Amino acid sequence: GAGVSQTPSNKVTEKGKYVELRCDPISGHTALYWYRQSLGQGPEFLIYFQGTGAADDSGLPNDRFFAVRPEGSVSTLKIQRTERGDSAVYLCASSLEPPGVQNFGPGTRLTVL
Amino acid sequence: SQQGEEDPQALSIQEGENATMNCSYKTSINNLQWYRQNSGRGLVHLILIRSNEREKHSGRLRVTLDTSKKSSSLLITASRAADTASYFCAPTSYDKVIFGPGTSLSVIP
Repeated sequence: GAGVSQTPSNKVTEKGKYVELRCDPISGHTALYWYRQSLGQGPEFLIYFQGTGAADDSGLPNDRFFAVRPEGSVSTLKIQRTERGDSAVYLCASSLEPPGVQNFGPGTRLTVL
Repeated sequence: SQQGEEDPQALSIQEGENATMNCSYKTSINNLQWYRQNSGRGLVHLILIRSNEREKHSGRLRVTLDTSKKSSSLLITASRAADTASYFCAPTSYDKVIFGPGTSLSVIP
């Protein structure tokens, strides 16, 4: 069956621009997670959705970051006024229910020039 | 939620040898998971051990859990070059999973 997919796989943008990263979870998975991973580091938790609502957004670094999941399936991570420090791989994962096994997507590599 | 700390940070072994990685955490958990990440790719779930279990096997993987010491270990037996990857433990208490910095394993052919 289809796994978690993320688009785009790579995104290069200029400092100050707005970007949207998309995650398509496994069908039927109620929990969806966003992480950010820098080179040589473990995934850093950003936000977690249970259904349509953000159950925990404590990992979002500042108010430039926002995520939505309007219909309880696809999620979009939005970053405003990007900075060079936002460059990282953004990972999405879904699970049937928390805190179960997380199924990860391949990630989106974001580069801010 | 809490973060696991893996030890060692890096490990290099010869193909065929066993590799042991350790994980420590600080508070009570529902379960503990181990994940693998090949360079440049997403994480892959390896094994989940519940708090009432002490040992679990899956193929060449053996995981132990000692809740009294708040620690877990992952043993990979008869390692292969394809096992070269980063390994992360994820102690899970309620909802979200927090990853530590991981152990980077290199298996030399």
